[in-house]
Amino acid sequence: AQKVTQAQTEISVVEKEDVTLDCVYETRDTTYYLFWYKQPPSGELVFLIRRNSFDEQNEISGRYSWNFQKSTSSFNFTITASQVVDSAVYFCALSEYKGNSGYALNFGKGTSLLVTP
Amino acid sequence: DTEVTQTPKHLVMGMTNKKSLKCEQHMGHRAMYWYKQKAKKPPELMFVYSYEKLSINESVPSRFSPECPNSSLLNLHLHALQPEDSALYLCASRPGRTTEETQYFGPGTRLLVL
Repeated sequence: AQKVTQAQTEISVVEKEDVTLDCVYETRDTTYYLFWYKQPPSGELVFLIRRNSFDEQNEISGRYSWNFQKSTSSFNFTITASQVVDSAVYFCALSEYKGNSGYALNFGKGTSLLVTP
Repeated sequence: DTEVTQTPKHLVMGMTNKKSLKCEQHMGHRAMYWYKQKAKKPPELMFVYSYEKLSINESVPSRFSPECPNSSLLNLHLHALQPEDSALYLCASRPGRTTEETQYFGPGTRLLVL
């Protein structure tokens, strides 16, 4: 069975600090897809990135970067020079085939990030 | 454009009421989802529609009844709900053609059952 673990429940940082959110996953599939979503207090889940299992290149998008390491089954997310607007709950997720042509996301429990001025 | 819309944004209902949640997307996506999210928890899958047919029902109680009238619209009909059903209900869609596609979420409906 698949599993996504986000061991950090809550993180609090001061603005401009760098912060890394950890994600460890378990799957028996050889091909799989990992995602990060941001959920601000408004509630909407905002897609940040998708990574497939055969592409281990790290990715950088502005202040955001992702480190995918298949050897350790980790897909960590780093925010550089954090800002107050980064305060949100961040979910790591693994795409799971549920049968009958249905794919769904298997979410970790989320990490609540608070950035204070 | 990756917009999924949901109405209403907030809903308060009594345990004897019947209400419906609506979700709409105009991205040509053929897979649509309902998730339920309780406070401080991750979203939990409820239903998946693929090409307007129900493909996954995660053992959801019958007081929740999904409907997919066409490829752009997804409804969730609510009847005789319990206070523990109070939650954020999220709709999502994805193209539905390959395994790697991203799900895009709507803003959610915050439901309070009294």
